[in-house]
Amino acid sequence: NAGVMQNPRHLVRRRGQEARLRCSPMKGHSHVYWYRQLPEEGLKFMVYLQKENIIDESGMPKERFSAEFPKEGPSILRIQQVVRGDSAAYFCASSHLTEQTEAFFGQGTRLTVV
Amino acid sequence: DQQVKQNSPSLSVQEGRISILNCDYTNSMFDYFLWYKKYPAEGPTFLISISSIKDKNEDGRFTVFLNKSAKHLSLHIVPSQPGDSAVYFCAARILNSGGSNYKLTFGKGTLLTVNP
Repeated sequence: NAGVMQNPRHLVRRRGQEARLRCSPMKGHSHVYWYRQLPEEGLKFMVYLQKENIIDESGMPKERFSAEFPKEGPSILRIQQVVRGDSAAYFCASSHLTEQTEAFFGQGTRLTVV
Repeated sequence: DQQVKQNSPSLSVQEGRISILNCDYTNSMFDYFLWYKKYPAEGPTFLISISSIKDKNEDGRFTVFLNKSAKHLSLHIVPSQPGDSAVYFCAARILNSGGSNYKLTFGKGTLLTVNP
């Protein structure tokens, strides 16, 4: 039973380019969460998605960031026109809608903007 | 406004001794608390959790204590092993009506080093 899969593990982008981060949840999980960890910080919630629905995007920056979880395929976190401050580790987690189920995290994508 | 605080960035203990990692929170709406362990270049791994209706939860070498009045929780690892060396994150959440676990609020983490 594969865990949460994120790719790529490392992504280097020049300022102004687009970054696409992918997350495939665990089998049977229909809830996906994205978190960002800036250097020397804890993980910060960004967005919670179910299939074809954004449930809570209160942690997403207002501009340049978007997320989707289509009916088929992985969840995508998209960052347009990246800036140096976007450099961080981006973690995806998934869960099954069960009372007090713990979310399982992927290994993360480390984005470096040069 | 940091709602979950881990005031010790690092902790070093000898193998076989007890490790105590502390966490404080400010939001009284939090009703479920979790500890995650993270190795470098990996994602956080769930370790143990506790509901606000309890004051203690134990799982093998790991015990979490919750003091609601003090808004404080701690993770005890005994005996500590070198393989426990990692960053430990305290996290909290508010259970919504649907029971789905999201919007975890994390502390900054404590780096535990267990020396052989």
